Amino acid sequence: QSALTQPASVSGSPGQSITISCTGTSNDVGDYNYVSWYQQHPGKAPKLMIYEVSNRPSGVSNRFSGSKSGNTASLTISGLQAEDEADYYCSSYTSSNTLLFGGGTKLTVL
Amino acid sequence: EVQLVESGGGLVQPGRSLRLSCTASGFTFGDYAMSWVRQAPGKGLEWVGFIRSKAYGGTTEYAASVKGRVTISRDDSKSIAYLQMNSLKTEDTAVYYCTRRRGWGDFDYWGQGTLVTVSS
Repeated sequence: QSALTQPASVSGSPGQSITISCTGTSNDVGDYNYVSWYQQHPGKAPKLMIYEVSNRPSGVSNRFSGSKSGNTASLTISGLQAEDEADYYCSSYTSSNTLLFGGGTKLTVL
Repeated sequence: EVQLVESGGGLVQPGRSLRLSCTASGFTFGDYAMSWVRQAPGKGLEWVGFIRSKAYGGTTEYAASVKGRVTISRDDSKSIAYLQMNSLKTEDTAVYYCTRRRGWGDFDYWGQGTLVTVSS
């Protein structure tokens, strides 16, 4: 199975909002509400930011939100802050009982 | 506090085997599925596989890229998950993360990772 498709990079200025897309197929993103998003700072382990499309774990800022339409999921970060600069990965459960990650998106805060 | 600590990484020659361990603490290990995720240097995340809890049969699922070469197991009495990797290839070089599977498709806790380098 191919990785989910994410843009290689996105950027925004402090205070702005950005959206990262994650496109899969009807065998993964499109068929399950089990899409997650992870934030990874350089040299660190990933951190769960969104699970089951739009749920935030305890402690994650409400500036992070998730949604899904058809085969594409999205992560929106509002009120961009310098500390949001990181790599972001989506993942989805699949019809083969496996997990797929996206290729990752590098967020630059200008 | 939930902690996951990986060990067992290092330099290994192509074709050899290696077993990674993930020692868990701070939660009831046996209640959770555990998973391994890897990240090659400068690359993205790749799911390796997971093992369900005993309540769900303790069964395993693996990524196609490693199926047949890796085995995930668990020892609930010791709160340890294992990743046995055989016939290692240079493309298996990566940081291997142990993760706790929260729900169907997400991982809420991650270890710090252990580096496996496959090279002659």
